[in-house]
Amino acid sequence: SQQGEEDPQALSIQEGENATMNCSYKTSINNLQWYRQNSGRGLVHLILIRSNEREKHSGRLRVTLDTSKKSSSLLITASRAADTASYFCATGGSNFGNEKLTFGTGTRLTIIP
Amino acid sequence: DTGVSQDPRHKITKRGQNVTFRCDPISEHNRLYWYRQTLGQGPEFLTYFQNEAQLEKSRLLSDRFSAERPKGSFSTLEIQRTEQGDSAMYLCASSLMDTEQFFGPGTRLTVL
Repeated sequence: SQQGEEDPQALSIQEGENATMNCSYKTSINNLQWYRQNSGRGLVHLILIRSNEREKHSGRLRVTLDTSKKSSSLLITASRAADTASYFCATGGSNFGNEKLTFGTGTRLTIIP
Repeated sequence: DTGVSQDPRHKITKRGQNVTFRCDPISEHNRLYWYRQTLGQGPEFLTYFQNEAQLEKSRLLSDRFSAERPKGSFSTLEIQRTEQGDSAMYLCASSLMDTEQFFGPGTRLTVL
């Protein structure tokens, strides 16, 4: 079963705009990760945030985590056509994210050139 | 290419047939995972290995499913007596003890 849900299910924005996706989950976690999946390709790990962290940055990505609300958000700034993909949040059972992952339902992001 | 590889990339079979998929992890990774992904959904965990030991199996993994990692390197996932509901993308991932999981391209199974 899915641990959580991403919101929105689908998002279309103009190239250069920022994209924000949200993830809600149900149970206590040790960490939360975001993955990207391009059409017909495997999942690519983007960023991991631990339960004792509130915000993390990686290039154009910014992730926040609110454990009291059991929610996370992924912000992609200055979007590019290559960012078109599905984005999934996943919760892991260990501090390092190396045990089984429980994924959300995903947000399909389309960047319009 | 030193990433996770999976073979075959696509498999079409008739209901009732057996199928076997192979996953070759990144060479130094001691953990290997199998997930299943259906259209429009996120991946769902099936099972994982640490070296050759199968440490956890999901309830999704019915008796028709079996996975092995005989020498702690590559892994196989076999589905016996396939059903149409088995149609999905089967994803393999690998990791070290303290790193993120790296995913392969997946094997897309279609059961007719």
